[in-house]
Amino acid sequence: SQTIHQWPATLVQPVGSPLSLECTVEGTSNPNLYWYRQAAGRGLQLLFYSVGIGQISSEVPQNLSASRPQDRQFILSSKKLLLSDSGFYLCAWSVRRALGAQYFGPGTRLTVL
Amino acid sequence: KQEVTQIPAALSVPEGENLVLNCSFTDSAIYNLQWFRQDPGKGLTSLLLIQSSQREQTSGRLNASLDKSSGRSTLYIAASQPGDSATYLCAVQASGAGGTSYGKLTFGQGTILTVHP
Repeated sequence: SQTIHQWPATLVQPVGSPLSLECTVEGTSNPNLYWYRQAAGRGLQLLFYSVGIGQISSEVPQNLSASRPQDRQFILSSKKLLLSDSGFYLCAWSVRRALGAQYFGPGTRLTVL
Repeated sequence: KQEVTQIPAALSVPEGENLVLNCSFTDSAIYNLQWFRQDPGKGLTSLLLIQSSQREQTSGRLNASLDKSSGRSTLYIAASQPGDSATYLCAVQASGAGGTSYGKLTFGQGTILTVHP
């Protein structure tokens, strides 16, 4: 069966510090991968998606970037965090080129102080 | 631009009641609609997926219907239990440019459900 992991589970970072959140998927190959952010009062927003290694598309302009160094690894990064980057970050996967369900990880709670 | 609306924003019911959560979307050109459950501080759990060609899906006490032409979906929960208390989210999946589906989901704001004993 497929499993999706995210770490860390929680993170408190000062403004201006770098960020690296990691997501890995087990039990499937060539998945589509997604990063979402859930901020208070704003719902879930798609940040990035990837259909393959090194292929990243951004949905909204922002202070964040994403990378996919391996087939089942998706990384969310920032060089300098802003207060507005605080939120709950969720990684998800789906079977590529199939109109199926998306499955979400446990999330990372990021607080920028 | 696709917009998804969920009504009501919050719902409080006594245990045992049957209830309906509503979801509407503005662009009927969707591939599928997915219902999720989210417990506080947790990730999303997929409940039901309805393809655009389907009218409904059932899983246990849950039944989701889809009327694509009118842009509506409902999630029916039978015989509600305190353990059903959570936020329920619906999301519609769009196709990508050039016919390549990358599976972008557009979410509603959710319905916060509280089932009290």
